[in-house]
Amino acid sequence: AQSVTQLDSQVPVFEEAPVELRCNYSSSVSVYLFWYVQYPNQGLQLLLKYLSGSTLVKGINGFEAEFNKSQTSFHLRKPSVHISDTAEYFCAVSNNDMRFGAGTRLTVKP
Amino acid sequence: DTEVTQTPKHLVMGMTNKKSLKCEQHMGHRAMYWYKQKAKKPPELMFVYSYEKLSINESVPSRFSPECPNSSLLNLHLHALQPEDSALYLCASSQEPTLAGGYEQYFGPGTRLTVT
Repeated sequence: AQSVTQLDSQVPVFEEAPVELRCNYSSSVSVYLFWYVQYPNQGLQLLLKYLSGSTLVKGINGFEAEFNKSQTSFHLRKPSVHISDTAEYFCAVSNNDMRFGAGTRLTVKP
Repeated sequence: DTEVTQTPKHLVMGMTNKKSLKCEQHMGHRAMYWYKQKAKKPPELMFVYSYEKLSINESVPSRFSPECPNSSLLNLHLHALQPEDSALYLCASSQEPTLAGGYEQYFGPGTRLTVT
């Protein structure tokens, strides 16, 4: 069985500061990993995905994530956040089906 | 066109009503999904259609009835709902079923359902 744990339910950060949203996964087989963002009253939008190859994945809006097989992690990072990055972020793992983490609420303060 | 559309955007219905949610995609995707999302929670999978056939039903009560009339359309028929069914209902599609591995899902904006 596969599962995802997002280690922080809320992350407050000041504008232009760096941020890391943490995600750990468990799976007995090879997995595909995703980060989605959900703005208020909207659906989910794909930020980036890891399928294979380079462990550093770049996504939209300046986000990137690093796949670490030994630590079973897929943390999301951004070097400088904007107010507009305030949203809910979901890590997801996909093999037979897609499993979402509980979500991390990123709040960017001015 | 990478858009999944959902109608209506908002829906208020009584417990005795019958209503339907509609989802549409024109990306040629062969898998479509219904999710239920409660406030401050991740989406919960309800149904999966793969090549227009129902492939996964996550033990959803029979008051929710999915339908896939063709490869571009997905409906969710609602009947005799309970107040606890109030939630955001999200539709998604992917190029191939998730079982095939590695295909991201494209989400619609959702229908905000309130059951009174």
